Amino acid sequence: DTEVTQTPKHLVMGMTNKKSLKCEQHMGHRAMYWYKQKAKKPPELMFVYSYEKLSINESVPSRFSPECPNSSLLNLHLHALQPEDSALYLCASSPTRIASGRAEQFFGPGTRLTVL
Amino acid sequence: AQTVTQSQPEMSVQEAETVTLSCTYDTSESDYYLFWYKQPPSRQMILVIRQEAYKQQNATENRFSVNFQKAAKSFSLKISDSQLGDAAMYFCASNAGGTSYGKLTFGQGTILTVHP
Repeated sequence: DTEVTQTPKHLVMGMTNKKSLKCEQHMGHRAMYWYKQKAKKPPELMFVYSYEKLSINESVPSRFSPECPNSSLLNLHLHALQPEDSALYLCASSPTRIASGRAEQFFGPGTRLTVL
Repeated sequence: AQTVTQSQPEMSVQEAETVTLSCTYDTSESDYYLFWYKQPPSRQMILVIRQEAYKQQNATENRFSVNFQKAAKSFSLKISDSQLGDAAMYFCASNAGGTSYGKLTFGQGTILTVHP
């Protein structure tokens, strides 16, 4: 299995809703990432988990809450989002310690989020 | 700190022709890696090619090759015998590991159109 899966594919939520995005990989990767991507722009890093511990938080607002329950699973909990948070949310994983620059990142297909 | 610059927001090529996408970068790290990622419309991002900075030989993957000029900090992607399936947004990225914790720094992307 050489893929990263993400659910749901699309999500529409109101500003008062609570929802979660899910990401899964079964490649034995120990680093996992959340990115936010606006249309025709590069991905922006949000969070990095290494060995199930949060290693990097790129000053993301607290309305985004990441969770890594085990080495294969990464969640992003959403609460009280704003319309400007509408974007494609990408999950990625990589096989080596995050301090190594060599490893490529494998990306999931993303969740298209719309906040009304 | 790392920066990656792609100066061509859009490029186009005829099917079967060759096209070159430009990328320049800057980093204070001595050990770093460079990548080209492809993101087709509504499809997931995949790695096209990777170059280790310590290697002088340019990386090649089938129809894709790079021209890595370390002194000039240039990392261009050449696509030979272009195919309709090559149409996508292409991102150049660098990853220095070390103090950068393996963070990918992306360029702004180049949209490639392939004409039949």
